Amino acid sequence: GESVGLHLPTLSVQEGDNSIINCAYSNSASDYFIWYKQESGKGPQFIIDIRSNMDKRQGQRVTVLLNKTVKHLSLQIAATQPGDSAVYFCAELSDGLYGGATNKLIFGTGTLLAVQP
Amino acid sequence: DGGITQSPKYLFRKEGQNVTLSCEQNLNHDAMYWYRQDPGQGLRLIYYSQIVNDFQKGDIAEGYSVSREKKESFPLTVTSAQKNPTAFYLCASSPRGRKLVGTDTQYFGPGTRLTVL
Repeated sequence: GESVGLHLPTLSVQEGDNSIINCAYSNSASDYFIWYKQESGKGPQFIIDIRSNMDKRQGQRVTVLLNKTVKHLSLQIAATQPGDSAVYFCAELSDGLYGGATNKLIFGTGTLLAVQP
Repeated sequence: DGGITQSPKYLFRKEGQNVTLSCEQNLNHDAMYWYRQDPGQGLRLIYYSQIVNDFQKGDIAEGYSVSREKKESFPLTVTSAQKNPTAFYLCASSPRGRKLVGTDTQYFGPGTRLTVL
């Protein structure tokens, strides 16, 4: 969803349910994408990444889906747990001056995942 | 322990003062980054460095300065010219810089919360 001012989009799920967090990215030339989890007062923690030559990648309890046609990225969390409560950011790698390898990430505004016990 | 450390965790500054935030990594990463995060918002890039003794401005560099004299260290100075410095500051590093070796993934430190009194 779209962020409005200082209000993050929020996804509220029941413990044990699956969660799907969505992200629209901006640059059709971006070829690398990362999902981060950020708990309150802490730095973002790497969850999973995917390159543009793939449309799906699975990790432990998490799956990232990439739809390049509509520039859409999603993070699926299976069997959501209270410890999954955090803000989730997607990031895309932007090309730059050094032959496309500047590692300059563009971050979305984030989605707050609230897990209800 | 390998990782990225930031200090201090909390920092208070009087108006008109310069302050320096520390960022150290022992991951042998070539690239390092500074981001600013405001409440309920995504990360915005202040400065980044692809290699020792070189750095580039990010999207919001005004009022900030950096140095990269050592591979392990990338300190950020918030100068008195930064009109609204209260924010959460995050340092990150990634293996691949200008040498194009390693991955593009960025790993974050725990952050420094700066408050102007």
